[in-house]
Amino acid sequence: GQQVMQIPQYQHVQEGEDFTTYCNSSTTLSNIQWYKQRPGGHPVFLIQLVKSGEVKKQKRLTFQFGEAKKNSSLHITATQTTDVGTYFCAVNSGGSNYKLTFGKGTLLTVNP
Amino acid sequence: EADIYQTPRYLVIGTGKKITLECSQTMGHDKMYWYQQDPGMELHLIHYSYGVNSTEKGDLSSESTVSRIRTEHFPLTLESARPSHTSQYLCASSSRAGMNTEAFFGQGTRLTVV
Repeated sequence: GQQVMQIPQYQHVQEGEDFTTYCNSSTTLSNIQWYKQRPGGHPVFLIQLVKSGEVKKQKRLTFQFGEAKKNSSLHITATQTTDVGTYFCAVNSGGSNYKLTFGKGTLLTVNP
Repeated sequence: EADIYQTPRYLVIGTGKKITLECSQTMGHDKMYWYQQDPGMELHLIHYSYGVNSTEKGDLSSESTVSRIRTEHFPLTLESARPSHTSQYLCASSSRAGMNTEAFFGQGTRLTVV
């Protein structure tokens, strides 16, 4: 099935520092989604990227989809303690894109 | 607030028992998923369905089985629970319509087999 590699696995930052997580695929993706899971919680959808080179922003979060649609990144500017959690990318795959598989996630911890 | 519900939230059960984890959604979504996740770890897709009477195995081999007799209901069954089944099980659903494939997750069931 569709595989996406997500790095880094962990990232610890001081509050106010920036944070970036990356997802890479060996094949062209139809779209990519990003989710956030708070400690003890369930994944919550953040955004979906569909177009080549697409850039979307949500306040301090910036999402990018590569020109070749094989990679994506999530960047957080000036992290806050509320940003703590695991960030996952997810891709649809399978014959009719019915499967939804997740990257391994990046655990972000923020030191106040 | 997503309308997808999982019961029970927590379950402690003895080895060899049969269990069924319930998942229901009221959004009319065609696609439903079961993921297995150990604390702080990745989400492993174990089963998915794209409509009534359709079920597929995911990427992680699992001894569990699923059924999809009604659109809103996607239960997961373990015929004989073992300690290796101890984990969190997350159910999710999404629409098949157009490109709107945002997945909504339930609160999860934390299963402990003793």
